[in-house]
Amino acid sequence: IAGITQAPTSQILAAGRRMTLRCTQDMRHNAMYWYRQDLGLGLRLIHYSNTAGTTGKGEVPDGYSVSRANTDDFPLTLASAVPSQTSVYFCASSVGTAPGSPLHFGNGTRLTVT
Amino acid sequence: AQTVTQSQPEMSVQEAETVTLSCTYDTSENNYYLFWYKQPPSRQMILVIRQEAYKQQNATENRFSVNFQKAAKSFSLKISDSQLGDTAMYFCAFMKAGSQGNLIFGKGTKLSVKP
Repeated sequence: IAGITQAPTSQILAAGRRMTLRCTQDMRHNAMYWYRQDLGLGLRLIHYSNTAGTTGKGEVPDGYSVSRANTDDFPLTLASAVPSQTSVYFCASSVGTAPGSPLHFGNGTRLTVT
Repeated sequence: AQTVTQSQPEMSVQEAETVTLSCTYDTSENNYYLFWYKQPPSRQMILVIRQEAYKQQNATENRFSVNFQKAAKSFSLKISDSQLGDTAMYFCAFMKAGSQGNLIFGKGTKLSVKP
């Protein structure tokens, strides 16, 4: 079934550790995104990539990095996790060429930093 | 900067009845898109409906329809014949034309459909 796969589903991580959240899509979408969802704050954009080889910063990029080596994969890395990064992380993609293309979301990764 | 406001943190409705979720937004843009997403307890984000700002006609998808008032910057979602499976968080979102999918979300409304 075409869509977005995120891994892991959930993770408990000690503060200071490095962590990479994986995201893979098989829809050949140009654009990909990482959002974090926090209670009472909704979803906020961390980083995005309009096409393979390019990335950009969203609303809350500090403490996170991304890469886009190919069309399908868009990993999100926390170099040194802190408790405030406890959140649910969603990867999303869109066709990116048609105006107003809706985003398709993965099922999220619940990350707890202790 | 654009902002999206959902003023109803929680709502409830009886099964088979109609409910309207409110959303307002603030922007100086003239060309943009608006969305409603649903997030059931499974956590998956599901697109419910999409509206282009340049279209005056309100979007409709089966039991879901919107009341888009561009001058008032209002984008409410009406759910008719509510079903138990409609129980979810509902997020209103804004996308500026040309931003290639950079969505600005509201904080959500938790809808409970009661039998």
